[in-house]
Amino acid sequence: AQKITQTQPGMFVQEKEAVTLDCTYDTSDPSYGLFWYKQPSSGEMIFLIYQGSYDQQNATEGRYSLNFQKARKSANLVISASQLGDSAMYFCAMRGSTGRRALTFGSGTRLQVQP
Amino acid sequence: DAGITQSPRYKITETGRQVTLMCHQTWSHSYMFWYRQDLGHGLRLIYYSAAADITDKGEVPDGYVVSRSKTENFPLTLESATRSQTSVYFCASSSGATNNEQFFGPGTRLTVL
Repeated sequence: AQKITQTQPGMFVQEKEAVTLDCTYDTSDPSYGLFWYKQPSSGEMIFLIYQGSYDQQNATEGRYSLNFQKARKSANLVISASQLGDSAMYFCAMRGSTGRRALTFGSGTRLQVQP
Repeated sequence: DAGITQSPRYKITETGRQVTLMCHQTWSHSYMFWYRQDLGHGLRLIYYSAAADITDKGEVPDGYVVSRSKTENFPLTLESATRSQTSVYFCASSSGATNNEQFFGPGTRLTVL
């Protein structure tokens, strides 16, 4: 079974500062993928970034980077230079390499960016 | 319209009624999923489908039925709605490759009175 844990229900950050959202995972699958999604107040799920378990380098997408520490089973999202539009719920999710291909989600972190 | 759509976007129904939520995708993705989102739980998988006519249960399937006669459609039916099924329902699709993201529909907010 797969499990995602996000221990920060809410976070505050000042505009233009960097913020790290924590995510730890547990799986017995030898190969897996880790995802981060953003859910603004409008409700849609927006894909941000992906990290494969065998990727040698941490994934980056613009202002988003994923701090992947395989031995610690963590996949933290780093947002650099926060903007007011970054205020949203953020979900960490994972998917194994076999079986149903569904995502297992964490409970999410609500990020509020303050001016 | 290209992408993944859900209908209705909002639905209010009464306990005991049958409700069907529709999901349509235009990418010919083989995999489709239904999740429900409740406060404090993130998204939980209800049912998924690996291809037309192939469906299987997820974490919380009780009270739901799915079908997939065509690749592009994946309706979710609540056979006899209960208040505990009040939730936001998301449909998603993907090609199935490990590194491919899932694309989500806009969601359906269902209230069962």
